[in-house]
Amino acid sequence: QKEVEQDPGPLSVPEGAIVSLNCTYSNSAFQYFMWYRQYSRKGPELLMYTYSSGNKEDGRFTAQVDKSSKYISLFIRDSQPSDSATYLCATAGGKLIFGQGTELSVKP
Amino acid sequence: SQTIHQWPATLVQPVGSPLSLECTVEGTSNPNLYWYRQAAGRGLQLLFYSVGIGQISSEVPQNLSASRPQDRQFILSSKKLLLSDSGFYLCAWSSAGVVGEQFFGPGTRLTVL
Repeated sequence: QKEVEQDPGPLSVPEGAIVSLNCTYSNSAFQYFMWYRQYSRKGPELLMYTYSSGNKEDGRFTAQVDKSSKYISLFIRDSQPSDSATYLCATAGGKLIFGQGTELSVKP
Repeated sequence: SQTIHQWPATLVQPVGSPLSLECTVEGTSNPNLYWYRQAAGRGLQLLFYSVGIGQISSEVPQNLSASRPQDRQFILSSKKLLLSDSGFYLCAWSSAGVVGEQFFGPGTRLTVL
């Protein structure tokens, strides 16, 4: 079993839709959870960083962690074509462990 | 503000040739430094990390090596490239003692023919 599992997609939505991206992880000891956004042929950029369970909101983005089910989510409200990218979830034990990434396309 | 540079941006090399990729960070001191490889449609695989000059930890045994000759310089090398070494190589840094918040460079796309 992979330590972090993420549906690779691709996911295609119309502009303005609410997007839900999800990951599961296996190690209940993980405490730090991240979402990275990676545009095509670029390096990933840190989008959201959360500690332990709960929600964190930043503009149109909300990160949610449910430690009881080992489930992490990223919600994007009012999605824009500029949100089209690959989204990588990650968790940190002694090192960062990444999911495979979900490719998102927001169509105008 | 902190900046991370990688070069070259793209590289095409024949099998069996040597490799040297360089990464430098500006605007911070004593960072943790990381090398990752990303294959097409795959997640990021940690190759090496360093917490200080001359201190290198290897995550995946292979024909690659890393060195950190200066505080903010990280080099990825190979003596003889394999076809399987093709991929997108990313350097990243984090503050000392921090693992989660990593900041990535623009990457080097390596094609081995």
